[in-house]
Amino acid sequence: DAGVIQSPRHEVTEMGQEVTLRCKPISGHNSLFWYRQTMMRGLELLIYFNNNVPIDDSGMPEDRFSAKMPNASFSTLKIQPSEPRDSAVYFCASRDLGTGGMNTEAFFGQGTRLTVV
Amino acid sequence: KNQVEQSPQSLIILEGKNCTLQCNYTVSPFSNLRWYKQDTGRGPVSLTIMTFSENTKSNGRYTATLDADTKQSSLHITASQLSDSASYICVVIPYNDYKLSFGAGTTVTVRA
Repeated sequence: DAGVIQSPRHEVTEMGQEVTLRCKPISGHNSLFWYRQTMMRGLELLIYFNNNVPIDDSGMPEDRFSAKMPNASFSTLKIQPSEPRDSAVYFCASRDLGTGGMNTEAFFGQGTRLTVV
Repeated sequence: KNQVEQSPQSLIILEGKNCTLQCNYTVSPFSNLRWYKQDTGRGPVSLTIMTFSENTKSNGRYTATLDADTKQSSLHITASQLSDSASYICVVIPYNDYKLSFGAGTTVTVRA
């Protein structure tokens, strides 16, 4: 398996524009997580999906952020409209919380570095 | 207050030397503790995993220790190499919970 795949790797956009980040989890993993990483706050959980269903979106900062998982192999994180303070690295991670329980490793993608100017 | 505190925030060591990173946590009860390595521009990758009943776990030149009584863990890097330059993140997985508690990380710079 190629691991968790994210696209794009880098995104530079103007304030007010819509941004869509994409993630393909590891095949067979039933749980997907979106994280945001900044120097000030480290890694923060934005939203967690289990079996394609959003379970916990309490970390989504504002209504400008939305996430979808239409099927087991694809998820998107959308920011509309984007603001400079959204600049960060966004990671997608997947885990198999079914067979291994809560001890299973989280596999991270390479991240998308978002810069909003 | 973050439930996982790491120290130091950053350190610089010479190639071939050893170093030890610290992690203090308050997450309780917890299922297991992991150390992740994050190279610049990459996602974190798991180095070691320890359950609450384990005291030490090695992965090559990396050795992690855990004291569940004092809620402390350490990551020891032996004979450091330039490729060890990275951020090392302590991650605590609460018992029966999907949420991971992340430390802020320690940035290690190995110089020739």
